[in-house]
Formats: sequence, C-alpha cells, structure tokens
Amino acid sequence: ILNVEQSPQSLHVQEGDSTNFTCSFPSSNFYALHWYRWETAKSPEALFVMTLNGDEKKKGRISATLNTKEGYSYLYIKGSQPEDSATYLCASISGAGSYQLTFGKGTKLSVIP
Amino acid sequence: DTGVSQDPRHKITKRGQNVTFRCDPISEHNRLYWYRQTLGQGPEFLTYFQNEAQLEKSRLLSDRFSAERPKGSFSTLEIQRTEQGDSAMYLCASRADLAAEAFFGQGTRLTVV
Repeated sequence: ILNVEQSPQSLHVQEGDSTNFTCSFPSSNFYALHWYRWETAKSPEALFVMTLNGDEKKKGRISATLNTKEGYSYLYIKGSQPEDSATYLCASISGAGSYQLTFGKGTKLSVIP
Repeated sequence: DTGVSQDPRHKITKRGQNVTFRCDPISEHNRLYWYRQTLGQGPEFLTYFQNEAQLEKSRLLSDRFSAERPKGSFSTLEIQRTEQGDSAMYLCASRADLAAEAFFGQGTRLTVV
C-alpha cells in the first residue's frame, strides 16, 4: 500500500448504533498513526496518536486499534450520537524526512437522530 | 494561547491575482506544516518548517507558491498568478515534536473566479 486509504467513504447510521471505520497505511518505515475528527466549519481535532503494534486507545465512546505489521487501524464508535457526525481522518507518519502526516480521504459519518 | 489561527478565513480572488495567507501557530511549537484540501480529498502536504527553516516542499508546490516563516513564528503562504485549480482549503498545522499530535487552524478557503 503506497497511500493511506480509508473505508467507507461515507456512512449513515441511526442514533445509538455502533460503527467502525478502516484505515490502511504503508507498513514499511512506520512511525505513527493519527486519527482526527473534522466537524464542518471547525479545525481538525486529534483523537488518537498511536505508535505501537497492538495498541488500543479509548476516549469515551470512541476507541481505536493499530496493527503496524499489516498496516491497518480501526476506529470504533459505540452508541453513535448526532454530535459524532463529522469526517474522520486518519494520517500515517513514516520515519523519514519531515515526519509529515499523510492523510486518507476520510470517512464522513452522519448520525441520524 | 488560543491555538492555531489562520487569516483570512475566506478569500475570493480573480484569476491571475496574487494572494497571501497567514498562519499563527501555537507559540511553543517549532514545527509548522501547510496542507491543501480539495473536495473529496484528504489534506495534502505542501510544505514544512522547523523554526524558520523550510525543510521540505511537496511536488504539489509549483513555482507560483512560496512560503516563509520569518523568525520561526508566524508563517505566510503566497500564491502568485492564481489559477482556478488553486481553489481549495489551505490548512496550517503546528506540532511540538515528532511524536505529537498536530494542531490545526480553521483553514483559509480560497476561491479563484
């Protein structure tokens, strides 16, 4: 995998449903994986910074896992609420150069009340 | 410190005009990044500063684009002879160190007519 890929591109869920998204990234020269939430008219905001294979992080109803060997991360939202509606971006950082974030196209989540 | 701020929030310009955007990062962050986001895409890396030094530029950054970060504080991104393809959201982000999350501004939405 040369680029960061996210699926699905968009998702509509009912309030109370649980959901998950996938991020695939290059596993070679891996340094870190970030998840961001970007609400309309606001700044992207970091959810998780993950570096270790097998890492699992949790913030309230949102959690994420990381597999650096196979190059994927999952983001889970339990009991979705309307305020979770946003675009969720993952970004991979390789251990070279400027350590810039390489973003996927994002998953746009809409939670229907 | 209120976070990363960008100015202006919106800019409409005629094709062929020059535009300049400003980013004020979080004061103690020495790493500053510019990204561009177009419809349906994730943010794409443009350039990176560590303090006042511009250490990396993307191939996306044509000769019409120039960025500066005098004295390692605020940064400016100038686009000369704008083209319709330059229409995008221009995001600025700063980070404290390589392992840290990025803090983003709200972006400057450029429309070239």
